[in-house]
Formats: sequence, C-alpha cells, structure tokens
Amino acid sequence: EAGVAQSPRYKIIEKRQSVAFWCNPISGHATLYWYQQILGQGPKLLIQFQNNGVVDDSQLPKDRFSAERLKGVDSTLKIQPAKLEDSAVYLCASSLGRRSNEKLFFGSGTQLSVL
Amino acid sequence: DQQVKQNSPSLSVQEGRISILNCDYTNSMFDYFLWYKKYPAEGPTFLISISSIKDKNEDGRFTVFLNKSAKHLSLHIVPSQPGDSAVYFCAASGDSNFGNEKLTFGTGTRLTIIP
Repeated sequence: EAGVAQSPRYKIIEKRQSVAFWCNPISGHATLYWYQQILGQGPKLLIQFQNNGVVDDSQLPKDRFSAERLKGVDSTLKIQPAKLEDSAVYLCASSLGRRSNEKLFFGSGTQLSVL
Repeated sequence: DQQVKQNSPSLSVQEGRISILNCDYTNSMFDYFLWYKKYPAEGPTFLISISSIKDKNEDGRFTVFLNKSAKHLSLHIVPSQPGDSAVYFCAASGDSNFGNEKLTFGTGTRLTIIP
C-alpha cells in the first residue's frame, strides 16, 4: 500500500514570496489533514478536509494560507505572502474515516525555510 | 496554552532496559490518547492508543498507562531496542460525539537507546 506522498521535500524562499505544497493521500482515505510543525513543537492542525469539504480550518491563518482538495483526492496548501515565522515542516496526513482522532497516516513532510 | 505537555525533551536508556515516556494534559475533556513515533526526515507513525474508559493498553513491547485523576499518561517500552530511538509524541483528543476530536500534540520526547 502506497503511503501519503508529499512534494517538494524541501523549499527555501524569501519572505513575502509565495509557495505551494502538494499532497496525495492514501487511496480510499476520505479525510485529509495539513499540519504545521515548528521546530521544537508538536504538529498543529491547520485544516481538515473530508472528501473535498472543509471540516475544520479554525487554526488556518486565512489572510495568507489557503488550501484546497479538488475532487476529494489530492490537496494543495499555499502560503502567500510568506513570513519568517512560517518556517516549519508542513505535514500532510490522511485517515480512512472522518474522525481526526483515529489512526492518521502521515507523509514525510515539506520543510519550508523562509529567509 | 500548552494543553498536552511532555516535560522531558530527551531521554537516554540502555538497550534491554525499560523506557518510560511521560505526558501530562490539562484539558479534562480529553478522553482519547495516542502515541506517535517519528524518525528523522519521516512523518510520525501511529504507535498505540488508549481510551479514557481504560487505564492500560498493551501491544507487544509497548504499554500505555492512563491515570485520569492525575491527568497523566505514560508509555513503557520493554525491552528497549536500538530501533526505538526516535521522537515520541503524545496526542490527545476530546469526545468525538461533540465534534471535539481534533488532536492536540505534545512537544515530543527524543528517546535514544544506547547499545
């Protein structure tokens, strides 16, 4: 079974630039999550999709972050414009059901450095 | 406000001995707890979970204990093996019946097993 795929693996940008991350969840998984993990902290949920609808985006900084999940499969997370404090690992995860406390399968993440 | 706390950033244990990782939480609405393990450059992987209706759950070398009155849980690894060297995250969530199942992660404990 293929795991959660994410790209790119690393990204370095300057502040005020824009960046996009891509995620392909495990086939058949209805729920997709984007987490932000800042160095020294635990992952923090940014947004949760069930199929192509948003379930929870309460912690997404909507003035600069956006995410979409077209056709209920792949997802992209965009930051525009980036700030220094956005430097973090962005993790995508998926789960079979809709409950976010069930077993999540994480991708390897995209490490973003904003200079 | 850190609702899930892992107060030990790192822990070193001799191979073959017991590793004990601790986690404290402050939100009394949390009723489901999970441990995730993370190797460098990889996403977290699910390890073991426990519901608040239980005080112990065991899976092979891994046992999680929950003390609800103390709002404390611990992960025991016996015997510890070199492959257990990783960062361990504790996570907690509330009652899914109230749509409160969003996972809150701790900051992680880096476990090093000494051969």
